[in-house]
Amino acid sequence: QQQVKQSPQSLIVQKGGISIINCAYENTAFDYFPWYQQFPGKGPALLIAIRPDVSEKKEGRFTISFNKSAKQFSLHIMDSQPGDSATYFCAASMGQNIVFGPGTRLSVLP
Amino acid sequence: NAGVTQTPKFRVLKTGQSMTLLCAQDMNHEYMYWYRQDPGMGLRLIHYSVGEGTTAKGEVPDGYNVSRLKKQNFLLGLESAAPSQTSVYFCASSTRPGGANVLTFGAGSRLTVL
Repeated sequence: QQQVKQSPQSLIVQKGGISIINCAYENTAFDYFPWYQQFPGKGPALLIAIRPDVSEKKEGRFTISFNKSAKQFSLHIMDSQPGDSATYFCAASMGQNIVFGPGTRLSVLP
Repeated sequence: NAGVTQTPKFRVLKTGQSMTLLCAQDMNHEYMYWYRQDPGMGLRLIHYSVGEGTTAKGEVPDGYNVSRLKKQNFLLGLESAAPSQTSVYFCASSTRPGGANVLTFGAGSRLTVL
């Protein structure tokens, strides 16, 4: 019930393409769904987040789509750039409890 | 504004040795966390604290101890290091209640146990 599943494990996209990473959760008590971006040698940093009462949130080229009934959410990166190459973690939280997905390593080819 | 600072950044230990990782935050955050990151495993929670003087076990607490004597510091100890504890360790902090639980991470501490 506490697990967050994430796919794909790795993703290679051409510059200008769309990157899509999918996540699924089981526990309906989760009330906050953040995405973290991690560059090599750095700690993860918050990229974008959504609450379950919203179906979509967009910030620049990054969009979260949220499907409450299916208990799934996804990250779309439009016009992907080489600088977006990083590992992306989805997460689900309630209170102080936050559960991370296993991560997706994104490589954007120039 | 330093955020979350972890020391040391790198450490090599021999099996059976002990060590302490220090995490310091200057944001007056209530919550602090220790994670370990291993290839293909994502971030796994070791221990966490919801306030000064409190600690609680996470997903993978065995072989580790923690202390939070001061609000701004969260220490992670390994009493008898094992090769399985070779990993990158991340400290994070966040502020609650009422707001979204946004974690601020440190840069990580890479530990190798020989």
